[in-house]
Amino acid sequence: DAGITQSPRHKVTETGTPVTLRCHQTENHRYMYWYRQDPGHGLRLIHYSYGVKDTDKGEVSDGYSVSRSKTEDFLLTLESATSSQTSVYFCAISEYRDRILETQYFGPGTRLLVL
Amino acid sequence: DAKTTQPPSMDCAEGRAANLPCNHSTISGNEYVYWYRQIHSQGPQYIIHGLKNNETNEMASLIITEDRKSSTLILPHATLRDTAVYYCIVRNAGNMLTFGGGTRLMVKP
Repeated sequence: DAGITQSPRHKVTETGTPVTLRCHQTENHRYMYWYRQDPGHGLRLIHYSYGVKDTDKGEVSDGYSVSRSKTEDFLLTLESATSSQTSVYFCAISEYRDRILETQYFGPGTRLLVL
Repeated sequence: DAKTTQPPSMDCAEGRAANLPCNHSTISGNEYVYWYRQIHSQGPQYIIHGLKNNETNEMASLIITEDRKSSTLILPHATLRDTAVYYCIVRNAGNMLTFGGGTRLMVKP
């Protein structure tokens, strides 16, 4: 399995509080992604990074920010959590070789409950 | 990226082959077919991918029709641990994955 860990694995928080989720990889892959998964919606891309300090928005980026200060860590921050952000969050990594974006590998997920 | 169509659910007897179909009639020449699966509460797991030729690895086989408008993922000897949601994804080499609804495969004893 690809070396991807996510922390915390479970979190309960209250509306309006800031929350930061961490994704850590040991594969030295350039690309990292944050997805959320909700019933009826499948996996939806929130933000992704294509290098240190290089990030871009996905399809559901509102209410989220990200940071990547080093290759191995990609942080997802909910500045002021809302109940609609209750979800399971998955991190993924991939590499880009010979102009091909390679297979993505996923972490174990973080279950977030916003009360 | 091309859209895919999969049956929402399928059953398979333990020990038998599971054949999961996927239609991707609008696929273009440089788009790959990827298969992932997601076992309950876990992150999606890569299974296999292909462009034109059939592919096989230790997990499964991928059969792509000659016109590339459809494909079939084959799990040769399904076990109870293969119960999962299987996603067929078509994407250009430079683009990211877009997950649809998938097929919920139930392997029964």
